[in-house]
Amino acid sequence: AQSVSQHNHHVILSEAASLELGCNYSYGGTVNLFWYVQYPGQHLQLLLKYFSGDPLVKGIKGFEAEFIKSKFSFNLRKPSVQWSDTAEYFCAVNARDDKIIFGKGTRLHILP
Amino acid sequence: DAGVIQSPRHEVTEMGQEVTLRCKPISGHNSLFWYRQTMMRGLELLIYFNNNVPIDDSGMPEDRFSAKMPNASFSTLKIQPSEPRDSAVYFCASRKSGTYNEQFFGPGTRLTVL
Repeated sequence: AQSVSQHNHHVILSEAASLELGCNYSYGGTVNLFWYVQYPGQHLQLLLKYFSGDPLVKGIKGFEAEFIKSKFSFNLRKPSVQWSDTAEYFCAVNARDDKIIFGKGTRLHILP
Repeated sequence: DAGVIQSPRHEVTEMGQEVTLRCKPISGHNSLFWYRQTMMRGLELLIYFNNNVPIDDSGMPEDRFSAKMPNASFSTLKIQPSEPRDSAVYFCASRKSGTYNEQFFGPGTRLTVL
């Protein structure tokens, strides 16, 4: 069965710090990968997705993620975070059917 | 594009009452998902439909919960009778078939059961 593991449940950073959120998935075949963001009091929105081609994917608001097939990883990065990046971040994977499997989320808190 | 529409946005009810949450997916999307989100349990998939047919309801907590999708543009999630532990934000999401397509989430219904 497909599963998604997010290593950090809660991350606290200062503004301008660099960010990397870990995500690993378990599935041996072709996958499509997503990062969603949920700002406080809002619904989940897509940050970026990977389905083929260049393993380095760029998303909105300066976020990017790198798909490393050999490590079953899809880590999210941002070189310099802002206070407005405070949110919960979900990694997700879809392999065979219509169901996207979500990780448990990482709460990111940026100190001004 | 109106996005996924959910109603009501907020619902406050008393224990034992029936609650019905509504969702209108994005036109052309043929998969629909109901999620529940709480601080304690995070985001949980309750049930999903493909072409109006329930495919996986293993996340439905118990028989008090039921979901229907009578047509491609409407779905309901019903809780009867409701209990305080059902208090949560309930999200509906839809997507078009194809593994490269993302899910689009609605704004959610915040349910409080007193």
